[in-house]
Amino acid sequence: QSSLTQPASVSGSPGQSITFSCTGTSSDVGGYNYVSWYQQHPGKAPKLLIYGVTNRPSGVSSRFSGSKSGNTASLTISGLQAEDEADYYCISYTGYGTYVFGTGTQVTVL
Amino acid sequence: EVQLLESGGGVVQPGGSVRLSCAGSGFTFSNHAMTWVRQAPGKGLEWVSTISPTGTTTYNPDSVKGRFTISRDNSENTLFLEVNSLSAEDTAVYYCARRLVVVVGDTYYYHYALDVWGQGTTVTVSS
Repeated sequence: QSSLTQPASVSGSPGQSITFSCTGTSSDVGGYNYVSWYQQHPGKAPKLLIYGVTNRPSGVSSRFSGSKSGNTASLTISGLQAEDEADYYCISYTGYGTYVFGTGTQVTVL
Repeated sequence: EVQLLESGGGVVQPGGSVRLSCAGSGFTFSNHAMTWVRQAPGKGLEWVSTISPTGTTTYNPDSVKGRFTISRDNSENTLFLEVNSLSAEDTAVYYCARRLVVVVGDTYYYHYALDVWGQGTTVTVSS
């Protein structure tokens, strides 16, 4: 049950789009369409952004989108804004009621 | 308002135990599987335990099996986590979170995602 691999940091200028990855194996990311993404600002609880690889909960900006190819899931933030500066985590279901979390990506808005 | 509120954290001596609570409100607590996630200072999120809606089935990663016990009281809309044999590595903010259920008409879709989180309770293991 090792962690999913995410880039430690990604940066972009306001208005740009950025995409970062979440790499697992065929036993987790590649095996299930149950990848979710979370945003966490310092000192705050995580917030669900994407579930089921591509679905956005009500109230989440359409600037956030998810995708998956093979064992790698990706999160894209379009029209980057200052408020998007945060840590982002992916989570995948791994079967038998278990989860594995990503290592986290720090997004910096330049 | 849908809400989760954790309590029970504090300073605990190495080797000691702690029982954390998470009170749910604003939703039908017994319809949702519940999960505990922790975050050590300056580190990432770590899944530590999940319990089914009725409480009959629990799930833990190998890293905490035998030391972490999750339970729930649906009559009180409360989730619990008991942690034994605490060490410095257990120092963390502990969050409870609700598993996402999407309702379309009369159909319930159970997703493996966590849609509501509490604000967290901090456990510090120190002598």
